[in-house]
Amino acid sequence: NAGVTQTPKFRVLKTGQSMTLLCAQDMNHEYMYWYRQDPGMGLRLIHYSVGEGTTAKGEVPDGYNVSRLKKQNFLLGLESAAPSQTSVYFCASAGREWAGELFFGEGSRLTVL
Amino acid sequence: GIQVEQSPPDLILQEGANSTLRCNFSDSVNNLQWFHQNPWGQLINLFYIPSGTKQNGRLSATTVATERYSLLYISSSQTTDSGVYFCAVETGANNLFFGTGTRLTVIP
Repeated sequence: NAGVTQTPKFRVLKTGQSMTLLCAQDMNHEYMYWYRQDPGMGLRLIHYSVGEGTTAKGEVPDGYNVSRLKKQNFLLGLESAAPSQTSVYFCASAGREWAGELFFGEGSRLTVL
Repeated sequence: GIQVEQSPPDLILQEGANSTLRCNFSDSVNNLQWFHQNPWGQLINLFYIPSGTKQNGRLSATTVATERYSLLYISSSQTTDSGVYFCAVETGANNLFFGTGTRLTVIP
């Protein structure tokens, strides 16, 4: 049982490039989330999904898009990367009510030059 | 939005010592969780504790929702306890708000 898996783990981009982060969970969870963590700070919610085919904006959504075409996958896209998007990105999932017990992936470190 | 404050921001302990980490929040919450982020960046779910007390080995947590705080107790600390401890709360506003964490360093 892998839990929550994120790919890639590391990526370096140039300003203006695009990329997609993939989050996959094998716990049949309804709820999935993308967070970013910046140095010295806690995590901030980018986007979330309460079920297959649904997405919604979180606290810091600008510059990101998401899709949840399959229940087990939640994709985070950067259409035109900016240095301000250099961060560590965490995916999480939950099987109960909103923000019930969350389970996190291992994180993806993104650097935008 | 809700304010989540954790104290102390940094803590250095000798192996075997006990410690108490505190999380204060500024509004009523539906849920509260404690996480441990290890030195490799992995976030581990410690407790899901909207109220009451729970224990798991050397760790225990207490949330007093009416007084808007939660405490995480670590007893007989070990070097593997090092890392950052986060408190996160949910208010029903479709977000889990994180504090800025307590960085714990346990020295042998």
